[in-house]
Amino acid sequence: DADVTQTPRNRITKTGKRIMLECSQTKGHDRMYWYRQDPGLGLRLIYYSFDVKDINKGEISDGYSVSRQAQAKFSLSLESAIPNQTALYFCATSDEQYFGPGTRLTVT
Amino acid sequence: EDQVTQSPEALRLQEGESSSLNCSYTVSGLRGLFWYRQDPGKGPEFLFTLYSAGEEKEKERLKATLTKKESFLHITAPKPEDSATYLCAVQASNNAGNMLTFGGGTRLMVKP
Repeated sequence: DADVTQTPRNRITKTGKRIMLECSQTKGHDRMYWYRQDPGLGLRLIYYSFDVKDINKGEISDGYSVSRQAQAKFSLSLESAIPNQTALYFCATSDEQYFGPGTRLTVT
Repeated sequence: EDQVTQSPEALRLQEGESSSLNCSYTVSGLRGLFWYRQDPGKGPEFLFTLYSAGEEKEKERLKATLTKKESFLHITAPKPEDSATYLCAVQASNNAGNMLTFGGGTRLMVKP
């Protein structure tokens, strides 16, 4: 079984819709991260969390929010999706950044 | 501001043709330099962390080395299954969040 799972794996949504991406991990790591990956721009950090009570903004947090429901779960929300949020989204855990399989999000 | 530049952007090799990928970085105190492999449509896979100049790590056909300004990922006698994008990232010692700054990656293609 995968140590870091993400759901959904693919999602197409419309401008203005609210959407939540979920991440779960079985590695027991306290630290969890959300990144987006865009062609030509590489991986950029959106939010990170050191534990359930600690949430921090990353490089590009505008338009996003997160929730750390438990040590194993870290969700990313787009309150009102816009087309330039179309990207690959990755969750990662621990300082070494063990990545999940990603969610391909398309906003039309 | 921390910066990471990887070169070349793309590299085509014949099977068995050894080569190196470069990762140049500027950072205000290096805590660690990370290498990842990423296959299309998948998340990056952690390969190595290097912490100090002179350090080397190996895994199968891959060897990563580190100097004060750059890191190299040496690929010895590559096989087609080594084809992937290789990502480099740095973590600064003054970074409270242990955030990584990633380079743009090198896309490696190994032909049989």
